[in-house]
Amino acid sequence: GQNIDQPTEMTATEGAIVQINCTYQTSGFNGLFWYQQHAGEAPTFLSYNVLDGLEEKGRFSSFLSRSKGYSYLLLKELQMKDSASYLCAVMDSNYQLIWGAGTKLIIKP
Amino acid sequence: ETGVTQTPRHLVMGMTNKKSLKCEQHLGHNAMYWYKQSAKKPLELMFVYNFKEQTENNSVPSRFSPECPNSSHLFLHLHTLQPEDSALYLCASSQGGQGVDTQYFGPGTRLTVL
Repeated sequence: GQNIDQPTEMTATEGAIVQINCTYQTSGFNGLFWYQQHAGEAPTFLSYNVLDGLEEKGRFSSFLSRSKGYSYLLLKELQMKDSASYLCAVMDSNYQLIWGAGTKLIIKP
Repeated sequence: ETGVTQTPRHLVMGMTNKKSLKCEQHLGHNAMYWYKQSAKKPLELMFVYNFKEQTENNSVPSRFSPECPNSSHLFLHLHTLQPEDSALYLCASSQGGQGVDTQYFGPGTRLTVL
């Protein structure tokens, strides 16, 4: 079966760095997406990786290793507004998105 | 209005009621999606419309009935729901067609079935 694993909850301190991991087993691979979802709001697109390596976008970076079925989202210089859930999703060979359950990130002052 | 909008934002209904959820996208997209989001569970894809044709129906009970009158509007008609149907219902849209596509979401309708 297809499976996406990510930690349920993480806690970090304002100003610090946090890495949210995502491992996947899917039927084929057409890229991996990260979304951010604040409580009661729409998931918003953060990043898309289809090639191995690190993609940097401001304070957020996303890494992919296709051989290991592994990705991480790196958040630097954490701010209170980064408190949210982070959703990992893989596009399979049928171009369907397979979703993880999300990681709730709690930022403490 | 920009992006993807959903109404109502909150809905409480009894098991015998009939109600409808509405989604509208202002992005010029051709594909629209309904998802169910329950606490601590992955998003569950319910229905997909691509160029107004329904292309996915992931074993969703018949008490949920989608309607896509045009590429900008999507409805989810609800009838005789069960308490376990209480969840956040998210609508999304994307460019559509074949291949890799980024989905853009609305804020969801929080549904409570009593």
